[in-house]
Amino acid sequence: GAVVSQHPSRVICKSGTSVKIECRSLDFQATTMFWYRQFPKKSLMLMATSNEGSKATYEQGVEKDKFLINHASLTLSTLTVTSAHPEDSSFYICSARDAAGFDGYTFGSGTRLTVV
Amino acid sequence: GNSVTQMEGPVTLSEEAFLTINCTYTATGYPSLFWYVQYPGEGLQLLLKATKADDKGSNKGFEATYRKETTSFHLEKGSVQVSDSAVYFCALGRGGSEKLVFGKGTKLTVNP
Repeated sequence: GAVVSQHPSRVICKSGTSVKIECRSLDFQATTMFWYRQFPKKSLMLMATSNEGSKATYEQGVEKDKFLINHASLTLSTLTVTSAHPEDSSFYICSARDAAGFDGYTFGSGTRLTVV
Repeated sequence: GNSVTQMEGPVTLSEEAFLTINCTYTATGYPSLFWYVQYPGEGLQLLLKATKADDKGSNKGFEATYRKETTSFHLEKGSVQVSDSAVYFCALGRGGSEKLVFGKGTKLTVNP
C-alpha cells in the first residue's frame, strides 16, 4: 500500500533556530500534501495544503512566514519552522494523496518537535 | 460547509466488550468516509473507508457502514482487545486538493 515517510520523528531545538521536517511519498506520486499540527489530547489542525510546483495554501491563522512549506517534487514536501519558540512545540503530521487516483490519504508517522 | 461530529469520549471498556463510536457528517454530494486510528506517539493509520452509500468498510474486526439516510458512519467492533486502545478519528473527503475534514477524535481505553 501507499507509504508516506516523515522525518525526523523527534527533534529538539533551541529557541530562535529553524527546523525542517520532510514528508516523502515512497511508492506513489503526490500532487497534494497536507500539513497538520496536533496539540496534546486534541484533534488535528490543518495548517496548509501543499501543491507540487506552486505556493502552499495556508489555513486562516497560520503564519506563512513562520511555517515555510516547499513542495518541489511529486514525492517530497518540507515544512520549515523558522525562528522556533517554545509555543511551537507540538506534534506535526503530514499526509499525501496519490495523484493517480483518489484512494484516500496516507499519513506520515509524525514529528515531535520540542523547542527549548 | 462540510463537518464531522463524533462522540468525544473518552471511552473505557473491558476486554471483549462491544464497541460503538458514533460519527455523523454534514456534506453536500457524496463524500468518501474514513476511520483513522492513532496509537500513542504515532501518526494516523487508515482503519477503514467507504466511498458510497451503503458501502461497508471493514478491517481488523472493525466495521462501519455508510448510511446516507442518517448521514452516519458509526464504528463498531464486536469484541475489543487491549491492543485496540488508541484514538479514533472519523473523517470525510472528496479527493483532489480538497482537505480531509476530521472529527475531534475519540480516545478508547480497553482494560484487561
